[in-house]
Amino acid sequence: SAVISQKPSRDICQRGTSLTIQCQVDSQVTMMFWYRQQPGQSLTLIATANQGSEATYESGFVIDKFPISRPNLTFSTLTVSNMSPEDSSIYLCSVEDGTHYEQYFGPGTRLTVT
Amino acid sequence: DAKTTQPTSMDCAEGRAANLPCNHSTISGNEYVYWYRQIHSQGPQYIIHGLKNNETNEMASLIITEDRKSSTLILPHATLRDTAVYYCIVRVANYGGSQGNLIFGKGTKLSVKP
Repeated sequence: SAVISQKPSRDICQRGTSLTIQCQVDSQVTMMFWYRQQPGQSLTLIATANQGSEATYESGFVIDKFPISRPNLTFSTLTVSNMSPEDSSIYLCSVEDGTHYEQYFGPGTRLTVT
Repeated sequence: DAKTTQPTSMDCAEGRAANLPCNHSTISGNEYVYWYRQIHSQGPQYIIHGLKNNETNEMASLIITEDRKSSTLILPHATLRDTAVYYCIVRVANYGGSQGNLIFGKGTKLSVKP
């Protein structure tokens, strides 16, 4: 299975600033995904990122707020823009791999906005 | 919305089998049953998946009823490290389609007790 790392692992940011989260995979993958997990909640899909095309956002998430880059088959970034305390969450990336498209997840980035 | 129903929580004695049920009465013919778990403060971990036959791997067994409307994840000898939230998800296994997205429900919080 793919091994995924994320940077930073956690951060505390001020309201109104932006944070870019990096996701690195140890193998080439076509599909990468970004999720948000708000405190005490389950995971919610933010967007799907294919290399060479624009990310596809889920309902309730927009590119201006969560711009995503996917420059190659092993790397992606998610930016959380103009942050507010409501953006305090764990942000996770995942990749689709395996015979039946199993998803494998990174360790997550714990973001606190003050 | 998640297409599965799971108990909110379960307890299991260490060393005993943990049997986690999942109802998916509206599952379609091309949808697989996937199980993930999330140990506290970690990203979700893929466990196992199946279409209609029972499946077993080094982590667990998956039993799917003949009508495919429910399934059970079995951890044969639960340890304290198996304490986690377990998610049952049904999805189409393919690249690129939204039907293949993972939709996480609230899952079952399994507590393994000494």
